[in-house]
Amino acid sequence: RKEVEQDPGPFNVPEGATVAFNCTYSNSASQSFFWYRQDCRKEPKLLMSVYSSGNEDGRFTAQLNRASQYISLLIRDSKLSDSATYLCVVSVRGNAGKSTFGDGTTLTVKP
Amino acid sequence: EPEVTQTPSHQVTQMGQEVILRCVPISNHLYFYWYRQILGQKVEFLVSFYNNEISEKSEIFDDQFSVERPDGSNFTLKIRSTKLEDSAMYFCASTRDRENEQFFGPGTRLTVL
Repeated sequence: RKEVEQDPGPFNVPEGATVAFNCTYSNSASQSFFWYRQDCRKEPKLLMSVYSSGNEDGRFTAQLNRASQYISLLIRDSKLSDSATYLCVVSVRGNAGKSTFGDGTTLTVKP
Repeated sequence: EPEVTQTPSHQVTQMGQEVILRCVPISNHLYFYWYRQILGQKVEFLVSFYNNEISEKSEIFDDQFSVERPDGSNFTLKIRSTKLEDSAMYFCASTRDRENEQFFGPGTRLTVL
């Protein structure tokens, strides 16, 4: 089983759609959770950290379920500029901050 | 806004040659990392570095790889004898606190011919 597993995608949605990405992690000692976005041939950039209480930043909402070892990202009112690959990233306690990346889920928002 | 920088942006080398990839992490950060991403594949952890020593390394980071922080600002990744399969984008990252998000540099695209 992969350490971090994401929806395989790709997701192709019209502008204005709501889209949800799912991610599961296998190591119960995982401590820190993030969603990054990566544009083609660019570096990963932090989209948002994911907290146990859930968090929201504008059109983006992240949720964490520790019992199910599951993370989600919801994007409302999709924009063309949201087109990118979304990476689920997990860090394990005591691992010097080593981050394990999911394979990524590619989103294409179309006019 | 402070950022991680990397040089060169693209390095082309012959198989068997040594390459050094350079990174300047954000100045008050304490933890440093190298990742690689083969074209079309996921981002893979190579090594983490803290307090002037390697904290953790992956199976990819074999004896051909080494890291160094030769001065207070640079953080380098050396590949001693490059192989074709080392062709990838190499990202440097840094963070002040290992539990917080990591900031990535723009990457160095390494092409081994």
